[in-house]
Amino acid sequence: AQSVSQHNHHVILSEAASLELGCNYSYGGTVNLFWYVQYPGQHLQLLLKYFSGDPLVKGIKGFEAEFIKSKFSFNLRKPSVQWSDTAEYFCAVIPSGNTGKLIFGQGTTLQVKP
Amino acid sequence: GAVVSQHPSRVICKSGTSVKIECRSLDFQATTMFWYRQFPKKSLMLMATSNEGSKATYEQGVEKDKFLINHASLTLSTLTVTSAHPEDSSFYICSAHPLAGGVNEQFFGPGTRLTVL
Repeated sequence: AQSVSQHNHHVILSEAASLELGCNYSYGGTVNLFWYVQYPGQHLQLLLKYFSGDPLVKGIKGFEAEFIKSKFSFNLRKPSVQWSDTAEYFCAVIPSGNTGKLIFGQGTTLQVKP
Repeated sequence: GAVVSQHPSRVICKSGTSVKIECRSLDFQATTMFWYRQFPKKSLMLMATSNEGSKATYEQGVEKDKFLINHASLTLSTLTVTSAHPEDSSFYICSAHPLAGGVNEQFFGPGTRLTVL
C-alpha cells in the first residue's frame, strides 16, 4: 500500500548531538514533501517543505532536509540539537494530483536531554 | 498571519450526545479546510476535505453521517460528531488552505480534545 514511513519512532539525544530522522514514501510521480513539528501542548507547525528545485531544503530553527528522488526519501537533519527541540516530528507527503491532501508518517518523538 | 483557531479546545460529553467543533481562519479566507484525527502516540489521519459551498469529501472508512461537516463561509468550517461514543474520543485537528496561497499551502489549528464518557 502507498504510505509514508518514518523509521525512528522515539529518539533520545543529548544536547549538541546531531540529528537525522528518516522519512520514506512510496508514491510515484511528482510529490510535495513536508516536515512538521508539534511541540508539547502546541499545534502543528511547518518546519520546511519541498516542492521543486534544489533538493536540499533549509527550514526554520536550523533544520534542513534532503530530497533524494531515487531513494524516495526526505530525511530531516539538524547539526546540533537543543533541549527546546524536544517535540513530535511528522513527515508528510502530498502525492501527485492529491489536491492538498496531506498523508502523514507515523511521527517521531524526539527527546533531547539537557 | 495565517492563524487558524479551533473551538472548543477541550470538550467532555456523555455518550449519545452530539458535539460541534469549529475551525476558523482568522486572518485569511480559505476555500478548503481539512479535518484530521490524531490518536495518542499516532499520526494524523485525514478524515475529510471541506470545501466552501459544497459537500465535504470523506476519506475511505469515515462515516459521513457520523462526522457532519459544514463549510458555510470562507472562514469557518464545522465538524459535528453525532451520537458520540467513547471510541470517538480523540484529538481533532483542522487545517485551512488560503484562497490566495499555493495549492499545497495549509495552516493548522491547535486541535480539539474530545472525551466521550
